[in-house]
Order: sequence, then structure tokens, then C-alpha cells
Amino acid sequence: AQTVTQSQPEMSVQEAETVTLSCTYDTSESDYYLFWYKQPPSRQMILVIRQEAYKQQNATENRFSVNFQKAAKSFSLKISDSQLGDAAMYFCAYRTPIYNQGGKLIFGQGTELSVKP
Amino acid sequence: SQTIHQWPATLVQPVGSPLSLECTVEGTSNPNLYWYRQAAGRGLQLLFYSVGIGQISSEVPQNLSASRPQDRQFILSSKKLLLSDSGFYLCAWSTPGGRAGSFYGYTFGSGTRLTVV
Repeated sequence: AQTVTQSQPEMSVQEAETVTLSCTYDTSESDYYLFWYKQPPSRQMILVIRQEAYKQQNATENRFSVNFQKAAKSFSLKISDSQLGDAAMYFCAYRTPIYNQGGKLIFGQGTELSVKP
Repeated sequence: SQTIHQWPATLVQPVGSPLSLECTVEGTSNPNLYWYRQAAGRGLQLLFYSVGIGQISSEVPQNLSASRPQDRQFILSSKKLLLSDSGFYLCAWSTPGGRAGSFYGYTFGSGTRLTVV
């Protein structure tokens, strides 16, 4: 079965600095998607960034970028120029192929990020 | 544009009472639908997913059931609630996206906070 592991329950970063959140996953598939979601105190799930496994280029969205290492099954999130609004719980997630388990999302346990002013 | 509605936002129910949470999607057809549960400070656990009307896959044996009576309607139910059913319930939808590159992501509802007393 596929699993997603986030080994950092909590992280802290100074405002305007850079922080990296770690995620590893386990799968025997070759075609899949990976995501980072942000969950603020409102508990709304907000998509931060996504990566398609068949693309070797790392995804980037403004201050957010990923380091996708397919062979190592690693998918870390880098937040540059951290802002107070970045404080939230961050979840790494893996999407199963649609032909296998209906394209469901499997989540890691989350990393609580705090940003210090 | 596509939207997802989930209600109620908050619910307090006594042990042994029935439950019905509803989720509807607008602006798309034949979506994949999902129910997740999140315990306080934890990751999201997939409960059920559906790839079509009347097609329900259960992930975790439990006190809950799901139904999809219409294409864009997904209902989470229980005949008799347990204390352990308390949590934050999230509905989500996605496009089926069978081929690489044709999948666009997931959209989550705003969630239901269920407290069983």
C-alpha cells in the first residue's frame, strides 16, 4: 500500500527566511501526482503546489517550490521569503492512479509551520 | 465555475443518534467524490470514494456509510453515532483524469465539525 511520511511534526522559520518541509512516499507506480496542501486555522484545504511524476522539472509557484527526487521517493517543499500568513499545517499528499484505487489522495500526518516576526 | 457545498458547518449530536452529512458539486459532471475525516491535529484519513453513481468504495471498516444517489451528490451517514465518530469531515471532488496531464486537482469543501456527546 502507498504511504506518505512527513517526519517533521513542527517547524519554525523567521519571517523573510527560507524553510524546507520534508516528505517521503512509497509506491510501486511510475505515473502519479504529488501535492502540498496548506491548512490554516480555518481548516480549509488550500492547494499550494502539485507535481506530476512524469515531469522531471520541479514545480514552482511564486515563493513555493519543490525538490522532487523520484528515485529517492522524496518530495520536499521550499518556502522562500516566509510570511506570517504562511503559518499553517502543511500536508504532503500522493494521488493513486485513476485505474488503481480511483485516484484517491493519501495524506501524510502534516507539519505545523510557525513563522516568527 | 465549479463549486462544492458541504453542510452543516458544525454539528453536535448525542451518542446513538443518526447522522447525515451532505456534499454537492456544481459546474461539472461525473466527478470523483471523496469523504475524509481529520482528528484534531492529525492528517486526513480517507473514508469513502466514489467514481460514479451508486459506486462506493470503503477504505476503513467503521460505523459510517456513504451513498451517491445523484451524479454530484455524496452523502455520509450513520445509523448510530459513537463518541469516536467525532472529528472534522471534509468532502472533496476531482476530475477523473485518466491520462497523465488531464487531471487538474482536487477541490475541498469547507468541512463539518462533528462533536458526538
